This record gives sequence, structure tokens and C-alpha cells, in this order.
Amino acid sequence: QKEVEQDPGPLSVPEGAIVSLNCTYSNSAFQYFMWYRQYSRKGPELLMYTYSSGNKEDGRFTAQVDKSSKYISLFIRDSQPSDSATYLCAMIPPGGGNKLTFGTGTQLKVEL
Amino acid sequence: NAGVTQTPKFRILKIGQSMTLQCAQDMNHNYMYWYRQDPGMGLKLIYYSVGAGITDKGEVPNGYNVSRSTTEDFPLRLELAAPSQTSVYFCASSYPDSYGYTFGSGTRLTVV
Repeated sequence: QKEVEQDPGPLSVPEGAIVSLNCTYSNSAFQYFMWYRQYSRKGPELLMYTYSSGNKEDGRFTAQVDKSSKYISLFIRDSQPSDSATYLCAMIPPGGGNKLTFGTGTQLKVEL
Repeated sequence: NAGVTQTPKFRILKIGQSMTLQCAQDMNHNYMYWYRQDPGMGLKLIYYSVGAGITDKGEVPNGYNVSRSTTEDFPLRLELAAPSQTSVYFCASSYPDSYGYTFGSGTRLTVV
């Protein structure tokens, strides 16, 4: 079993839709959770990070962590074609310092 | 502000050849990382460094070497290239205790 699992997609939605992207993880000791966005042929860029359980909102983006279910989500409201990218979840393993463990990424396409 | 600069952007190597992937950052970040990204496999940590003169292995270090003589530079050396090293390589940097990595734009390496 992989430490962090993500549905690879591709996920195709119409412009304006609400998008839900998800990751599950196996190690209950993970505490810090991040979402990175990666455009084609570019490096990933940090979108949001959260600590422990709960929600965090930033504009059209909401990150949600459910530690009891070992499940994290990223919601995108009013999705735009510019949101088309691969979204990677990442988390810090116990004793991992700054070393992130990444999911495999979900490819999202927002169509006009 | 250039951020993280990786060179070259593309390279084709023959089996058994060697090369150095260059990475430089101008943000005075202490921590630097090398990841490889394969389709459907996510980002895997190869090596990392917490400061000049200090390096350590990540998840997939075999076939690679690194050095860190300055804060700014973190080159990755491939000795005796193998087809299994065909991948996209990303360098990243961060401050200590920061989960917001800054990634370079990647080096696409093909070993034939």
C-alpha cells in the first residue's frame, strides 16, 4: 500500500463547476498537509497548506483535512480553464523534517 | 528574482554516460532537494541538503550523487546512466520549517 494515494484522473469538468480532489494516506502520524499545483512542463507550486484537521479557505480554494478518516480534500469553486493542471497532495511524515511525501497527482481539465 | 534555476532543460544521454544536472537558487534558502517525477509515480526524493556541506539520501538515491559547496548551488551527478533514470528531475529549495518549496522548471532526461 502506498503511503499517499491519489486518483490520477484525468478529471474533466465544465467551466464554473465545483471540483473535488482527494487524497488518502496510511500513516496516521502525518500532521502537515499541502496541495501543490503543477502546470504542464512546469515545476509544482504551493497552493495551500493546513495543519491537523479542519478547513482552510483561500479565495476559490478550500482545503479540508479529516484525520480520523486519513483523508484530505481540495475543493475548487467556480472552476476556470486556468485551473487546468495536475494537483498533488503532499504531507510531512513523522520525523520527516522538511521532507515531503507526495501523492501521484490528479490531472484536472476545465473545459469551456 | 530568478528563484530556482535548473540547467539544462532537456538532455539525451547514452547508456553509460555521465552528466551533472545544475541547480541554483537566489533566495538564500538553507534547504535544497532533488526529486524525480515519473508518469503515474509522483515525486520521489533523491537527495536533500540542509546547508552547505551537508547532504543526505532520500528515497531513491541509487545511481546519483550530490554535493553542496555553497548555499546557492546543489548539483546532481548521474554516473553510468541507465534507461531507468529516464525521468523529469526537479530541484527545489525552502527555508527551514517551511513546507512551501520553490521548484525549478525541471530537466527532462532521456537515457537511450
